Amino acid sequence: SAVISQKPSRDICQRGTSLTIQCQVDSQVTMMFWYRQQPGQSLTLIATANQGSEATYESGFVIDKFPISRPNLTFSTLTVSNMSPEDSSIYLCSVGDFWDSPLHFGNGTRLTVT
Amino acid sequence: GNSVTQMEGPVTLSEEAFLTINCTYTATGYPSLFWYVQYPGEGLQLLLKATKADDKGSNKGFEATYRKETTSFHLEKGSVQVSDSAVYFCALEGGSEKLVFGKGTKLTVNP
Repeated sequence: SAVISQKPSRDICQRGTSLTIQCQVDSQVTMMFWYRQQPGQSLTLIATANQGSEATYESGFVIDKFPISRPNLTFSTLTVSNMSPEDSSIYLCSVGDFWDSPLHFGNGTRLTVT
Repeated sequence: GNSVTQMEGPVTLSEEAFLTINCTYTATGYPSLFWYVQYPGEGLQLLLKATKADDKGSNKGFEATYRKETTSFHLEKGSVQVSDSAVYFCALEGGSEKLVFGKGTKLTVNP
């Protein structure tokens, strides 16, 4: 299975700032996704990172707040913009291929906004 | 749309007790079903999966059977250990590779 490296593993940020999270995979994958896990809650899909084109966002998430890049088949970034304490969550990258379900997850980035 | 309803915890058991965590789903078509586990301080790991009706997924002594007639995928283990203490998530994938998760069940196993 794919080995996923997600950075940073954790960060404490001030409100109003932005943080970019990186997801690096050791092999080419078709699908890359970003999930959010709020404290004590389940995982919610933020968006699908599309290689070479704009990400596809789920209801309730917008590009201005969560810009995503995916320049190739092994790398993606998620930026959490203009942060507020409500953005304090664990953000997880997940990857997969149509022929190799299920999705595999990175260890996540634990973000605290003060 | 697709959804997963999972027994909410927390669940506290003694070592060697029998575990059941209920999971039911709503989906169009024929989803694949998964159980993921999140140990304290760690990321999400796949525990087991089933891709069609009557399939049984199993791993580390855990089992779950895909029951289409009851739209369920309950997780069971005959004898839990302290090391099984974690949060367990039921999830489904409906053909788009996107996962829909249940709310998670925190399991604590006491010695």
